[in-house]
Amino acid sequence: NAGVTQTPKFQVLKTGQSMTLQCAQDMNHNSMYWYRQDPGMGLRLIYYSASEGTTDKGEVPNGYNVSRLNKREFSLRLESAAPSQTSVYFCASSEALRGVDTQYFGPGTRLTVL
Amino acid sequence: AQSVTQLGSHVSVSEGALVLLRCNYSSSVPPYLFWYVQYPNQGLQLLLKYTTGATLVKGINGFEAEFKKSETSFHLTKPSAHMSDAAEYFCAVSEGFQKLVFGTGTRLLVSP
Repeated sequence: NAGVTQTPKFQVLKTGQSMTLQCAQDMNHNSMYWYRQDPGMGLRLIYYSASEGTTDKGEVPNGYNVSRLNKREFSLRLESAAPSQTSVYFCASSEALRGVDTQYFGPGTRLTVL
Repeated sequence: AQSVTQLGSHVSVSEGALVLLRCNYSSSVPPYLFWYVQYPNQGLQLLLKYTTGATLVKGINGFEAEFKKSETSFHLTKPSAHMSDAAEYFCAVSEGFQKLVFGTGTRLLVSP
């Protein structure tokens, strides 16, 4: 049982390049989330998917797109990377279809945009 | 909108001393409250959570937290710090349906 996995672990991009961060969970969870973590700012929600087939914006969605490919996988795409998107990105999942449940986090992707 | 305030970006204690990490929240509805821990270069792990019922919640690694509605607080404590407790700690409050709002985190430093 691997839990939540993320690829890649590290990435360096040039301004304007695009990339997709991959996330998968093997806990049969309904909800999945993408956060970014910046020093002194805690975790901020980018997008989330309450269930397969649905996605919604979080607190900081600008410059990102997401795809809930199936129940297991939730990807985050940067179409044209900017230095302000340098951050650590975490994917999380939770079982809850309704209500609030514990979120389980992946190990993170450290992204640098030059 | 819900919000979380963690007082003190850094807290330093000696090994064996009491750990107290402060968290205050604002919520327009009865909240669910969480404490997560993040060790260096890792993701977040759940320490404990409050949903309903008993206001004193016990978590892993000897940590506990008490929900005080009148003070809108959910402070995290541990009677005796261990070197392995050095990490960053995040308080979070539920916001609506399935979402959490996180505080800015408190880094706990433990000295021998």
